[in-house]
Amino acid sequence: GNSVTQMEGPVTLSEEAFLTINCTYTATGYPSLFWYVQYPGEGLQLLLKATKADDKGSNKGFEATYRKETTSFHLEKGSVQVSDSAVYFCALSENRDDKIIFGKGTRLHILP
Amino acid sequence: ETGVTQSPTHLIKTRGQQVTLRCSSQSGHNTVSWYQQALGQGPQFIFQYYREEENGRGNFPPRFSGLQFPNYSSELNVNALELDDSALYLCASSTNRRTYEQYFGPGTRLTVT
Repeated sequence: GNSVTQMEGPVTLSEEAFLTINCTYTATGYPSLFWYVQYPGEGLQLLLKATKADDKGSNKGFEATYRKETTSFHLEKGSVQVSDSAVYFCALSENRDDKIIFGKGTRLHILP
Repeated sequence: ETGVTQSPTHLIKTRGQQVTLRCSSQSGHNTVSWYQQALGQGPQFIFQYYREEENGRGNFPPRFSGLQFPNYSSELNVNALELDDSALYLCASSTNRRTYEQYFGPGTRLTVT
């Protein structure tokens, strides 16, 4: 079945450091890929998405590129801020009406 | 425009009891999906309701059931609670079953003792 694997946390970085959170997926078809973020005490928010191979999703300085050849969708940000501290979930969906399958999440701590 | 709201925020129940969780969808949304998020895990899809009908179900037993009302708000009911049901329960609303653009509520934290 379809699944998502992402790097385990917690990930601790200093402010202004470069961030990469790895995500790989297994799918039978050509899924859409997502990154969600969960800030403390808040609901999940869609951070970015990509719906086909080679698409790059971007938002708030974060970006991820849909790599079909490596079945990956790694999240990157050039310079993290303390306010980026949260849990990040990689996810996929086979089509716009299908359920979303989430990875286990990666907790990110940014130190001032 | 109000977002997705859930009630209660926290709940403590005893094993074997029944619980009802509530979700009000965002204005204009006719689809509600429910997810269970165990501690340290990603959300897992329970089921989705579209225009008051169940429209897809994940790998959860029948003691997990739901309802959607004419105003598109929804309830999640869990019977015969087990310790493993302790989790954060999230609901998400969207239009016309489109999970791509769903908005999540803050969740209900259920603890089963």
